[in-house]
Amino acid sequence: GAVVSQHPSRVICKSGTSVKIECRSLDFQATTMFWYRQFPKQSLMLMATSNEGSKATYEQGVEKDKFLINHASLTLSTLTVTSAHPEDSSFYICSARSGGAAIRGYNEQFFGPGTRLTVL
Amino acid sequence: GDSVTQMEGPVTLSEEAFLTINCTYTATGYPSLFWYVQYPGEGLQLLLKATKADDKGSNKGFEATYRKETTSFHLEKGSVQVSDSAVYFCALRGGNQFYFGTGTSLTVIP
Repeated sequence: GAVVSQHPSRVICKSGTSVKIECRSLDFQATTMFWYRQFPKQSLMLMATSNEGSKATYEQGVEKDKFLINHASLTLSTLTVTSAHPEDSSFYICSARSGGAAIRGYNEQFFGPGTRLTVL
Repeated sequence: GDSVTQMEGPVTLSEEAFLTINCTYTATGYPSLFWYVQYPGEGLQLLLKATKADDKGSNKGFEATYRKETTSFHLEKGSVQVSDSAVYFCALRGGNQFYFGTGTSLTVIP
């Protein structure tokens, strides 16, 4: 159980286009999802936290108009990189936390496999 | 604020060698501690975790003990294999947020 998927796993796009990345919790309801960005040979940096049905909370320095996050259902959150530029090329990873588990005090987060974005 | 300091790599070992990757943390409260592994081109996989002081997490021959007195959570394995080549991340969870170390790249050569 507790599987999180991401789609696509890899995407290559032209500069100026927008790219949507999906994060799904496959066997549990995720009231909270987190989006991370990983630069080459560096650690994960939290970009934003999204709660189902409400606006995402962005970390300092993350442009909310560039990285649009939608958490429309309990099993799906999307990250849209708008007007992508080469400097947006990175590895994007989501994680999800079960609402039911959180209520019971179990605060585990489960990570997706990541999406490699390359902007030409 | 909460943070994790992790031994810098890269680390190169021969097969069957002993592995230690150091990790120390700074946190308010009582965080949970984790080791994640990232194989080339893949996302993070939970390797092991410990939720309170003196707990030992273990999986696939890897071990780490939550040491509150030294604020450490060092990763160890007695005999590494080529298939253990990956990047290892130490992390702590404070509240809802994870804080990751910078990762340690391990290469095991036959």
